[in-house]
Amino acid sequence: GDSVTQMEGPVTLSEEAFLTINCTYTATGYPSLFWYVQYPGEGLQLLLKATKADDKGSNKGFEATYRKETTSFHLEKGSVQVSDSAVYFCALSDQNTGNQFYFGTGTSLTVIP
Amino acid sequence: NAGVTQTPKFRILKIGQSMTLQCAQDMNHNYMYWYRQDPGMGLKLIYYSVGAGITDKGEVPNGYNVSRSTTEDFPLRLELAAPSQTSVYFCASSQRQGRGETQYFGPGTRLLVL
Repeated sequence: GDSVTQMEGPVTLSEEAFLTINCTYTATGYPSLFWYVQYPGEGLQLLLKATKADDKGSNKGFEATYRKETTSFHLEKGSVQVSDSAVYFCALSDQNTGNQFYFGTGTSLTVIP
Repeated sequence: NAGVTQTPKFRILKIGQSMTLQCAQDMNHNYMYWYRQDPGMGLKLIYYSVGAGITDKGEVPNGYNVSRSTTEDFPLRLELAAPSQTSVYFCASSQRQGRGETQYFGPGTRLLVL
């Protein structure tokens, strides 16, 4: 079945450091891929998405590229800020399963000044 | 535009008690979803609805019931609470269920069953 595996946390970085959170997926069909972010005390918010191979999603300095050959959708940011501290979820939706969402376990990021 | 709202934010239940988790959205979305998130796990789909009067089971429906009498509301009912239902519950909605469609989430309800 479909599944998402993402990098274990927690991750602690200094401000202005480079961020990578790894995400790989397994899908029976041709999925769409998402990164959601959850700030403390809030619900999940869409950060970025990509719907076909080689597409790059980007938002707020974050980006991720849909790599079909490696079944990956790694999240990157060149220079993190304290305000980026949150939990990040990788997810997929698959038309073969009625566009049901499958989420990774989440990666907690803390950025220290 | 409040988006997706959930009440309560936190609740403690005794084993065997019942409760309803409320979820409402003001975006006129057709699709609504209930997920649970256990520590160290991803979100798991409990139930979903494709419109008023239509609901269907997700991956982990046992111990829960839902109804959808209006487009706006999608309550989740726990009839006989068990410790295994201790979790954080998220409600979400989307306009359609097409490729790349975004789901919008509420802030969550934290439930502790003792």
